[in-house]
Amino acid sequence: DTAVSQTPKYLVTQMGNDKSIKCEQNLGHDTMYWYKQDSKKFLKIMFSYNNKELIINETVPNRFSPKSPDKAHLNLHINSLELGDSAVYFCASSPRDTYYGYTFGSGTRLTVV
Amino acid sequence: GDSVTQMEGPVTLSEEAFLTINCTYTATGYPSLFWYVQYPGEGLQLLLKATKADDKGSNKGFEATYRKETTSFHLEKGSVQVSDSAVYFCALSDGAGGGNKLTFGTGTQLKVEL
Repeated sequence: DTAVSQTPKYLVTQMGNDKSIKCEQNLGHDTMYWYKQDSKKFLKIMFSYNNKELIINETVPNRFSPKSPDKAHLNLHINSLELGDSAVYFCASSPRDTYYGYTFGSGTRLTVV
Repeated sequence: GDSVTQMEGPVTLSEEAFLTINCTYTATGYPSLFWYVQYPGEGLQLLLKATKADDKGSNKGFEATYRKETTSFHLEKGSVQVSDSAVYFCALSDGAGGGNKLTFGTGTQLKVEL
């Protein structure tokens, strides 16, 4: 009955590798997001999709590529991982009107060594 | 652009103490305001929200009032418990062309001790 689920929960990988994080929501929401939380807990939006269409693409290296096969899924693929990519990545979803707020996944802790 | 400023932490209180975490914002339109809470090792949970001036959001003993004149949304609780220890984030959503983006403050860590 998990509302927003992310996999994997932990990801440890070497520099230069390519990795993916998957996200799924069963809330029927129209919009999904990826946020990055750094070591100081600061949260910054990376991408937003509304019904499979990219609507927010913040200043993120093009090594990061989101993919939304349908409105319930939003995956994040990262090429050529760097040490600075180490962070916690959160997926979230919301109805069209953010009056209701976001529902967050539990996060993926990515460590690049 | 939109921004949210929160008081820096950590805030350390004794159990049953009164809590205030300050939050002020800058936005071009009429944003909705939120407080989220993050417990250790978990994702963010919506704590409370307010969508227009003078609205008061409340949940689990926490309250915050949307003050347009001071552009503030301070979080308060009359008597904190050890279980309230977490990181608290103030956030705004400026729906006017904002693409449903939530802009977060830097978070304030709260530690409650016995």
